[in-house]
Parts: sequence; structure tokens; C-alpha cells
Amino acid sequence: EPEVTQTPSHQVTQMGQEVILRCVPISNHLYFYWYRQILGQKVEFLVSFYNNEISEKSEIFDDQFSVERPDGSNFTLKIRSTKLEDSAMYFCASRGSGTGGYEQYFGPGTRLTVT
Amino acid sequence: AQSVSQHNHHVILSEAASLELGCNYSYGGTVNLFWYVQYPGQHLQLLLKYFSGDPLVKGIKGFEAEFIKSKFSFNLRKPSVQWSDTAEYFCAVNARRGGGNKLTFGTGTQLKVEL
Repeated sequence: EPEVTQTPSHQVTQMGQEVILRCVPISNHLYFYWYRQILGQKVEFLVSFYNNEISEKSEIFDDQFSVERPDGSNFTLKIRSTKLEDSAMYFCASRGSGTGGYEQYFGPGTRLTVT
Repeated sequence: AQSVSQHNHHVILSEAASLELGCNYSYGGTVNLFWYVQYPGQHLQLLLKYFSGDPLVKGIKGFEAEFIKSKFSFNLRKPSVQWSDTAEYFCAVNARRGGGNKLTFGTGTQLKVEL
């Protein structure tokens, strides 16, 4: 069964450093998402991406964040200058299209620790 | 804006007990409803979903949920839980419209099933 993959599984970085989290969505999916889950809190939407542009973003997704689909398979989340409060589990998700495509498939997540 | 409330944050049950987890949502339009499960150390997995039709939906592992439109509720049930059901359960909703279809999650319910 196809699945969403994410790398790395765990990233430790120092405050102020740039990080890039990588995701490979399911191959025939058209919509891509990033969510995050701070320890002990709920899963929060960050951004959705379709047709090579952001379709929606939350207030969390400020100028420090960017997303890109650099080729036909990868979908990346970049945090330009990390802060302590960016420490969280980051989940990538993807979905297909059409009425049967509302279901989002999640990757295993990248645990980001900012020190 | 859409929001989701899960009323039970921690639930402890003995094996074979029945389970019902509450979920209420707030949104003015038509929604799709989901329950996701996160087993310890694993990623979010879809348990079941409701898009339209029969409001009683059956998912994997013996779980079911009932959509009651008048109560804006989508409670999760299982007649007899097993130790392996120990996990965190998230109710989620997205708006059934074009665009990003971001998921809004509830705060989650941590279920512990004791032998």
C-alpha cells in the first residue's frame, strides 16, 4: 500500500538555524499539507499546497516558514531561523482529488528539537 | 472557522468494556468527519470517515461512529475494547468545499486499556 514518507525522523538543531523537513507524498496525490503537534497539544494545520502554490495557511505559518515542491516527488517545509517554540512533531499529509479524495494520508512525522 | 471539541482527555478502561468517545464540531457549512488513531510511537492512521449517506459508519478494528447532524456530533464507539486499542484518538473535521480542505483536529483522547 502506498504511503507518505518523511525524513529525517528526528532533527536536532540550534536556535537560529535553518532546517528543511522533507516529505514524499503518495505519487498520484495532488494536495499536500504540513501539520505540527507540539508535545502534549493537538495537531495543528500549518499549510496546504496545490498546483505549485499555497492554497491556505494558518497564522502559525509566518514568514519564517516556506514550502516547496522542488521536483515531482518531494514536498519540503523550510524553517528559516528556528525558535525554541518550533520544537514539535511535524507531519506531512497528502490526498487525491474528487469526492473520494477527502481523506488525508499522514506520514510518520519528523520530530524537531530546537536547542 | 471550524473547531472540534473532544470532551474526554484521558480514559481508562478494562478489556472488554465498551467505549464511547465524544466529539463535537462547530462549522456553519457541510463537513467531512474523521477519527484518527495514533498508537504509541506511530503516525496518525485513519480509523473511519464520514462524507455522506448512512450516518453510522464502520471503520477498522471494530470501531464505528455516528454522525448526528442536529447535535454536531460524531462520537466514536467500540462495543468491546482490547489492550491493543491503547492509543490516542483524534476527531477531525474539514469543510466540504474546494480549496485546501485543511483538517481541524480536536485535542485528542488518550485511551488506556488495562488487562
